[in-house]
Amino acid sequence: DTEVTQTPKHLVMGMTNKKSLKCEQHMGHRAMYWYKQKAKKPPELMFVYSYEKLSINESVPSRFSPECPNSSLLNLHLHALQPEDSALYLCASSQVGRSNTEAFFGQGTRLTVV
Amino acid sequence: GENVEQHPSTLSVQEGDSAVIKCTYSDSASNYFPWYKQELGKRPQLIIDIRSNVGEKKDQRIAVTLNKTAKHFSLHITETQPEDSAVYFCAARRVNAGGTSYGKLTFGQGTILTVHP
Repeated sequence: DTEVTQTPKHLVMGMTNKKSLKCEQHMGHRAMYWYKQKAKKPPELMFVYSYEKLSINESVPSRFSPECPNSSLLNLHLHALQPEDSALYLCASSQVGRSNTEAFFGQGTRLTVV
Repeated sequence: GENVEQHPSTLSVQEGDSAVIKCTYSDSASNYFPWYKQELGKRPQLIIDIRSNVGEKKDQRIAVTLNKTAKHFSLHITETQPEDSAVYFCAARRVNAGGTSYGKLTFGQGTILTVHP
């Protein structure tokens, strides 16, 4: 199984809503990531979890709150978003360690903030 | 931090021609260089990668070369087909201060490749 599964695929939310994005992988990867991708731009790293601990926060606004409840799951809680937060949110996972390994991406959640 | 420059931003070729996309990176500690293909509305998918201890790698019609001294790497696609049309991203991974790696990737800006039948 080389799949990273993200739900939902599409999400429309108002600026006062609270919603969550979910990501799941069963490849035994101990590093998981959230990326944000705007149209025609490369993915931008938001957060990295390693062994279920937050190891990197790329100065992301607090209206985005990540959570890693176990080694297979990664959530991104959203609250009081702005229209400019509309983007494709990609989850990825990889092994951890010196042996460089690829990052597997999920299909993404296309988020629209209205 | 790492900075990855990618050129060209758009590339248009005829079916059967070759396509070359070039990237440069700034952090000499980067040691892993993947290439991703992203079709419209889909996830980035790894098509080939190269590690810093290798100068060239080939997989069928796709090859990647790495020049560590000059800090640049290139993607070569031969005998292009219309289904190769997509956005291609190069990326570089830098090892963190602890010497381990979480696969944090810095991406280039992308190249829109169009292969005309």
